[in-house]
Amino acid sequence: SQQGEEDPQALSIQEGENATMNCSYKTSINNLQWYRQNSGRGLVHLILIRSNEREKHSGRLRVTLDTSKKSSSLLITASRAADTASYFCATDAGTYKYIFGTGTRLKVLA
Amino acid sequence: EPEVTQTPSHQVTQMGQEVILRCVPISNHLYFYWYRQILGQKVEFLVSFYNNEISEKSEIFDDQFSVERPDGSNFTLKIRSTKLEDSAMYFCASSSELLGNTIYFGEGSWLTVV
Repeated sequence: SQQGEEDPQALSIQEGENATMNCSYKTSINNLQWYRQNSGRGLVHLILIRSNEREKHSGRLRVTLDTSKKSSSLLITASRAADTASYFCATDAGTYKYIFGTGTRLKVLA
Repeated sequence: EPEVTQTPSHQVTQMGQEVILRCVPISNHLYFYWYRQILGQKVEFLVSFYNNEISEKSEIFDDQFSVERPDGSNFTLKIRSTKLEDSAMYFCASSSELLGNTIYFGEGSWLTVV
């Protein structure tokens, strides 16, 4: 089964707007992480949220976790052109690994 | 800020050749990982490594793949006989503890098999 699927697959917004991306997963988790990937580059860690946490903030980023719905959301406020990237959630799926979702491609138009 | 470094950044190899991708994890980290991403697709788990042995591996990580920590700093992924479908970006990652900690990724090594 797919462990971690983001929606929407693609999102295009104007600079200054907020962007919301969602991640759903199927099995119980201990932690969920969000990553950003610029085209052809590495994965940059954004936020880790534990299963006993409901919300975390980091700068313009806000992550929520609803374990009852097995879902998480990433909100980027006041988006900038530099936020253009793919965003992935990753859930722990076993003792020694994280499984990545399919990603949301965000395009912020200047 | 400490980072995971990977070499080479890009390698082109002939089908059937052996390839070694190298990684230097963050120095005080104990858990090491390889992931791969075929162009335009999702990031896929290959293998995790702890205490000088494989902790977990995926079905992708078959007999043509191997990992090694030859010294105190390097962590390598060897692909014994490359196939066209091995063309992908390979990411090394490390973490200081088991799942509760952030996994830090390198910039990746692009492998093109021709």
